[in-house]
Amino acid sequence: DAGITQSPRHKVTETGTPVTLRCHQTENHRYMYWYRQDPGHGLRLIHYSYGVKDTDKGEVSDGYSVSRSKTEDFLLTLESATSSQTSVYFCAVQRGGKDYGYTFGSGTRLTVV
Amino acid sequence: AQSVTQPDIHITVSEGASLELRCNYSYGATPYLFWYVQSPGQGLQLLLKYFSGDTLVQGIKGFEAEFKRSQSSFNLRKPSVHWSDAAEYFCAGLYNQGGKLIFGQGTELSVKP
Repeated sequence: DAGITQSPRHKVTETGTPVTLRCHQTENHRYMYWYRQDPGHGLRLIHYSYGVKDTDKGEVSDGYSVSRSKTEDFLLTLESATSSQTSVYFCAVQRGGKDYGYTFGSGTRLTVV
Repeated sequence: AQSVTQPDIHITVSEGASLELRCNYSYGATPYLFWYVQSPGQGLQLLLKYFSGDTLVQGIKGFEAEFKRSQSSFNLRKPSVHWSDAAEYFCAGLYNQGGKLIFGQGTELSVKP
């Protein structure tokens, strides 16, 4: 949607394994975000980036790390996956200018068994 | 702390009836406000947004929202609900540009025939 691609769309992984989710954008947006969605909690911010190699923590960052080595890619890594990280993960970009707002990717459904 | 609250977790309305979904934001600086809709298994679609100016905002799919500073509210309305409106609705606030979008917990809407 609007140039944002998340991969993979679905993943099942085992507890204790590392997992990396990818968000790719084609519109050169500066700000990118990772959210997780859980029932009863809405979407909660994990990490965000305000430029290449510039990242910061959100409200639920424990157990997650991110990297942004180029403008178009924002990677989310679960260092050692736990069952509590089973969730749907959304990437978003902030659009500037007249159409100011946010665009979300289609999500990655991650199951940790 | 900055927050957005949706008091109703689940609402059921009859098809053709009017709808109002509630959203309150923590008072202080007025955030930019957004309403998103999410159909099952899908990403988030923007319905409408409020930055400033006219307090009644028109969106897509026949939705509107009214900003009321005195009540710290930004409620979403639709005069006549269609079965296809069944989905989850999220209110979100942005307290500073370039910052983090804060979501409410979401309201799930069911539509009775």
